[in-house]
Amino acid sequence: DIQMTQSPSSLSASVGDRVTITCQASQDISNYLHWYQQKSGKAPKLLIYDASNLETGVPSRFSGSGSGTDFTFTISSLQPEDIATYYCQQYDTLPPLTFGGGTKVEIK
Amino acid sequence: EVQLLESGGGLVQPGGSLRLSCAASGFTFSSYAMNWVRQAPGKGLEWVSAISGSGLSTYYADSVKGRFTISRDNSKNTLYLQVNSLRAEDAAVYYCAKGRNVLDIWGQGTMVTVSS
Repeated sequence: DIQMTQSPSSLSASVGDRVTITCQASQDISNYLHWYQQKSGKAPKLLIYDASNLETGVPSRFSGSGSGTDFTFTISSLQPEDIATYYCQQYDTLPPLTFGGGTKVEIK
Repeated sequence: EVQLLESGGGLVQPGGSLRLSCAASGFTFSSYAMNWVRQAPGKGLEWVSAISGSGLSTYYADSVKGRFTISRDNSKNTLYLQVNSLRAEDAAVYYCAKGRNVLDIWGQGTMVTVSS
């Protein structure tokens, strides 16, 4: 199975800061990677699909990049409503879908 | 509005069984693969099982293979997960999610607690 290593596991940043999360796959997955946001007590929400495509309705401060084994998720200007845990997910090899361990984003 | 609504969770003793349901609305249910994803308390997301739109193909995580069974009734727009031989480590919120490789719609989840 493909393993996804996500880092950091948590971070604290100020409102307006640029926030970057990375996800590394254990083998080449092309651009078969998505990013989800999960707010406390809620279901996950799709933000970015196929590494860099913004889901409809998602603010443009969210972006994704990368291909192969290394991927990056960025919040260009952190807002209070962005407090959440973010997960990457690969789909190069199915099954199983595999998720990264998550990154908890907090406000400093 | 596209919506998924899970039900059927609850408290069950180790070794017990439950049937989880996920009612879908707002899209052509039979056209889409569906998944179950779980999240243990304070932990990350774990994919559990998937089923094709027709119901003919099913997939399971190794951790649940032989104990859980995914199925669907396209006439009722409903997805199911039969969970048997429950263990303490199966305690989690179980989410249903639409899609084959990208999970674009999620339900609110149903909680399964395993305790004697």
